[in-house]
Amino acid sequence: AQKITQTQPGMFVQEKEAVTLDCTYDTSDPSYGLFWYKQPSSGEMIFLIYQGSYDQQNATEGRYSLNFQKARKSANLVISASQLGDSAMYFCAMREGNVNTGKLIFGQGTTLQVKP
Amino acid sequence: EPEVTQTPSHQVTQMGQEVILRCVPISNHLYFYWYRQILGQKVEFLVSFYNNEISEKSEIFDDQFSVERPDGSNFTLKIRSTKLEDSAMYFCASSERGSYNEQFFGPGTRLTVL
Repeated sequence: AQKITQTQPGMFVQEKEAVTLDCTYDTSDPSYGLFWYKQPSSGEMIFLIYQGSYDQQNATEGRYSLNFQKARKSANLVISASQLGDSAMYFCAMREGNVNTGKLIFGQGTTLQVKP
Repeated sequence: EPEVTQTPSHQVTQMGQEVILRCVPISNHLYFYWYRQILGQKVEFLVSFYNNEISEKSEIFDDQFSVERPDGSNFTLKIRSTKLEDSAMYFCASSERGSYNEQFFGPGTRLTVL
């Protein structure tokens, strides 16, 4: 079974509008973390935002916010006021509770294209 | 701002040859990782390293792979006898602590096996 599922292979958004990228996860571990990374065409992986399973509030970082719905096991990324530079591949990832490894399990990614 | 660096950015090798990919993690980080991404696919975990030993490895990380931290700064991934299917982008990452911090990724090494 997939641990991280991103059901949108590709998304379009108009510049300056908001967009939501979906991510659902599967774990039985009560302690976990959820991450979003951006991968532009140049290939590097850029950390965007983190949500811990015990965090009471949804994480926010500038124009990025994470809509964390624990009961639904979803961790959608919301990008507000999209910019042309937001065009990239976006990966959702999960870290399960083992302290000494912290390995990330990634989803398949969503390609976002921002239209002018 | 401190960053993870990787060399080389691109490595081309013949099948069967050994390659060493190098990484310099962020200096105060204690946890180190290698991931790979085959073109157009998702990022896959290879190995994690803490306290000078492997803490976890994936099924991909077979006997052909090894990691080393030869000095206080470098973290290397060696592939002893490369196969065509090893062609991928290899990312090094580091974090200050294992679970509760974001992992910072290097820019990657694109490995092409001919």
